[in-house]
Amino acid sequence: DTEVTQTPKHLVMGMTNKKSLKCEQHMGHRAMYWYKQKAKKPPELMFVYSYEKLSINESVPSRFSPECPNSSLLNLHLHALQPEDSALYLCASSAWTGNTEAFFGQGTRLTVV
Amino acid sequence: DQQVKQNSPSLSVQEGRISILNCDYTNSMFDYFLWYKKYPAEGPTFLISISSIKDKNEDGRFTVFLNKSAKHLSLHIVPSQPGDSAVYFCAASGNFGNEKLTFGTGTRLTIIP
Repeated sequence: DTEVTQTPKHLVMGMTNKKSLKCEQHMGHRAMYWYKQKAKKPPELMFVYSYEKLSINESVPSRFSPECPNSSLLNLHLHALQPEDSALYLCASSAWTGNTEAFFGQGTRLTVV
Repeated sequence: DQQVKQNSPSLSVQEGRISILNCDYTNSMFDYFLWYKKYPAEGPTFLISISSIKDKNEDGRFTVFLNKSAKHLSLHIVPSQPGDSAVYFCAASGNFGNEKLTFGTGTRLTIIP
């Protein structure tokens, strides 16, 4: 199993809603990531979890709240988002905390209305 | 400050010919480089990587060349196939004590049948 699975694939939410994005991998990877990608732009790192602990927060607004319940799961809790937060949210994992390739999920296309 | 640059936003190549995608970086602390391929509405797919201790890595139709003195790397695809049409991202990481991948802005490759 070399997959990173993200749910849902698409999400439309209002600015007052609370929703969560989910990510799962069963490759035994110990680093997991959230990226945000706007149209025609490269993926931008949001958060890194290493061995289930938050190791990088790229100055992401608090309306995005990551959670790593265990080594296979990564969540991104969303609350009071703005329309400009609409983007493709990508989860990725890599084997360890050194130089190694990251495997990406298919992403969640989020639209904030 | 864009530390990883792909100066060609798009590239068109005849089927069967060689595709050459270029990437430049500015941070001399980067020591691991990756190429990802991305189809619309999907997550990036890892293609090939190279460590800074090498200057070439080959995997089937894909070869990555690294010129450390010029801070330049390139991805060669030969022969190019219609299924290679996608956006290609160059990415870099370094021994910074974290797992951050810095992506280039991407090059859209179109293979002309």
